[in-house]
Amino acid sequence: AQTVTQSQPEMSVQEAETVTLSCTYDTSENNYYLFWYKQPPSRQMILVIRQEAYKQQNATENRFSVNFQKAAKSFSLKISDSQLGDTAMYFCAIPLGPDKIIFGKGTRLHILP
Amino acid sequence: GAVVSQHPSWVICKSGTSVKIECRSLDFQATTMFWYRQFPKQSLMLMATSNEGSKATYEQGVEKDKFLINHASLTLSTLTVTSAHPEDSSFYICSARDWGSSNTEAFFGQGTRLTVV
Repeated sequence: AQTVTQSQPEMSVQEAETVTLSCTYDTSENNYYLFWYKQPPSRQMILVIRQEAYKQQNATENRFSVNFQKAAKSFSLKISDSQLGDTAMYFCAIPLGPDKIIFGKGTRLHILP
Repeated sequence: GAVVSQHPSWVICKSGTSVKIECRSLDFQATTMFWYRQFPKQSLMLMATSNEGSKATYEQGVEKDKFLINHASLTLSTLTVTSAHPEDSSFYICSARDWGSSNTEAFFGQGTRLTVV
């Protein structure tokens, strides 16, 4: 069975600091995608970053980057120079087959001024 | 990226009445759409997978007769909460994946906050 585990229910960091959100997963697939989604107070789900499992290079999108460790089945999200607008719920997710996407329980991130 | 529009954003209804929520893919065709329910401060719970032209596939524990799903076209899926009760109050989100694109992420609607009084 595919599972996604986010072990940090809530985190707080000062503005401009760097923060890392953890995610571990389990899958029987060999080739797959991994996603980080952000859900701000508006509750609109927004894709932050995606990683293809067959690519060794870690994905980067501006201030957001991942540390993908395939053997360890770890997929952490690093936010550099954090901003107040980064305050949100962050979900790690992995597709289950061609249809479903499995989400972790989420990490609530507070960026403090 | 692809756009998914969900309507209404919020709705208040009386117990016993039915409420319909629409989910549209605006710039792509979605053969499959997904309906989630989200309780406060919790993750998304998949309710059902909606397939164009066929019956929806419901997750275990989700009442088919209470949550009616219709996917009549490649751009529209609807969720109808029938005979709503206060315990149905929640945040409902739809999503779709654009299989015509090389990307495989899901795109989400804005969500609907349902309050049953």
